[in-house]
Amino acid sequence: KAGVTQTPRYLIKTRGQQVTLSCSPISGHRSVSWYQQTPGQGLQFLFEYFSETQRNKGNFPGRFSGRQFSNSRSEMNVSTLELGDSALYLCASSLGTGTNQPQHFGDGTRLSIL
Amino acid sequence: QQPVQSPQAVILREGEDAVINCSSSKALYSVHWYRQKHGEAPVFLMILLKGGEQKGHEKISASFNEKKQQSSLYLTASQLSYSGTYFCGTEPASGGSNYKLTFGKGTLLTVNP
Repeated sequence: KAGVTQTPRYLIKTRGQQVTLSCSPISGHRSVSWYQQTPGQGLQFLFEYFSETQRNKGNFPGRFSGRQFSNSRSEMNVSTLELGDSALYLCASSLGTGTNQPQHFGDGTRLSIL
Repeated sequence: QQPVQSPQAVILREGEDAVINCSSSKALYSVHWYRQKHGEAPVFLMILLKGGEQKGHEKISASFNEKKQQSSLYLTASQLSYSGTYFCGTEPASGGSNYKLTFGKGTLLTVNP
């Protein structure tokens, strides 16, 4: 069974640009969550999608947005990039949404802002 | 609110034991534990739900004390493969449809030969 696939693995952008990251969940998984990981803050929740609906959102500015498609694939968009957006962005999928659902993480997209 | 993990880092020799703690100021419904090796994705270890249960995964086990809003991860007879950063993720008791997993900053575990 294929794991969670994130593309691209690495991205280099400059301030002010925008970026779109992609996540393909494990087959059959309907929930996709996005996290930002930095050395100082650890894993911070961005948002969760389930059945194409955003179920929850973390404390990030509106420049961070996402969506989920009918096949459960998800994209995350960051507009007007800032230096502080440099981080590893992780996507995690689970069968459903709820407390007893283990999350399966992808290898992440490492975003560097110059 | 982000749970607090302690210690921040620990160095062990192969075969030694370690305990990693995860504390929250909020009433918790569940605690998740993950391990992330350098340059790799976090890997799920176990989930503990409200009820104070203890779970095990090979020689790694955990407990959840809901009264203290605390979970502890126990690593016994550590192996080199246990090295990595351990994260706890917590869900508040008021989660419901607003489920949101909040992770601690992690505990770096290094096991030396």
